[in-house]
Amino acid sequence: SQQGEEDPQALSIQEGENATMNCSYKTSINNLQWYRQNSGRGLVHLILIRSNEREKHSGRLRVTLDTSKKSSSLLITASRAADTASYFCATDARNTDKLIFGTGTRLQVFP
Amino acid sequence: DAGVIQSPRHEVTEMGQEVTLRCKPISGHNSLFWYRQTMMRGLELLIYFNNNVPIDDSGMPEDRFSAKMPNASFSTLKIQPSEPRDSAVYFCASSLGRISGGAHIQYFGAGTRLSVL
Repeated sequence: SQQGEEDPQALSIQEGENATMNCSYKTSINNLQWYRQNSGRGLVHLILIRSNEREKHSGRLRVTLDTSKKSSSLLITASRAADTASYFCATDARNTDKLIFGTGTRLQVFP
Repeated sequence: DAGVIQSPRHEVTEMGQEVTLRCKPISGHNSLFWYRQTMMRGLELLIYFNNNVPIDDSGMPEDRFSAKMPNASFSTLKIQPSEPRDSAVYFCASSLGRISGGAHIQYFGAGTRLSVL
């Protein structure tokens, strides 16, 4: 399967703590994206990092990319209860418009 | 823009019945994707279109599934006949695609929750 894998599968933390999720993928990429899915909703794009970038920030989100290890991490700082959701990484497939989604990390933030 | 619009939001049907799911992509987007999401299998790409043409249907599970995109603003996913194992949430997504220089960011609809009894 080309599907990426995320680690951990589930994560529970208290409000104010940081949450780190990891993603590994199998093929060369042009870019990697992170999406969030709230319960019962569609996925929402959070951030995109290109293959020539190593780190990117957006508000409380920090994404890193290590193409030599084919891995990425998503850090959410000072988490809030509203951050409770599933988080997916997605990589592009060469010469197509397809995205290959990971298996997702379920994040629970307790107030 | 209203985003990607899917209908119906919920569908309950009996085994053997035909089911049609509908999707209106974001205006101006030229790629459209149909996904299925279950707890067991996660998010699976069923088929995608570019400029209304099916490009990759390798994820369509079997001949009972078919998808059409008659124009740039409408697509359907049909299951005939439906089976209980088809129960899942079906998502439609659209993107600008590579031709427009977009970075493949996909915008998802709210999904259709299908239950086949």
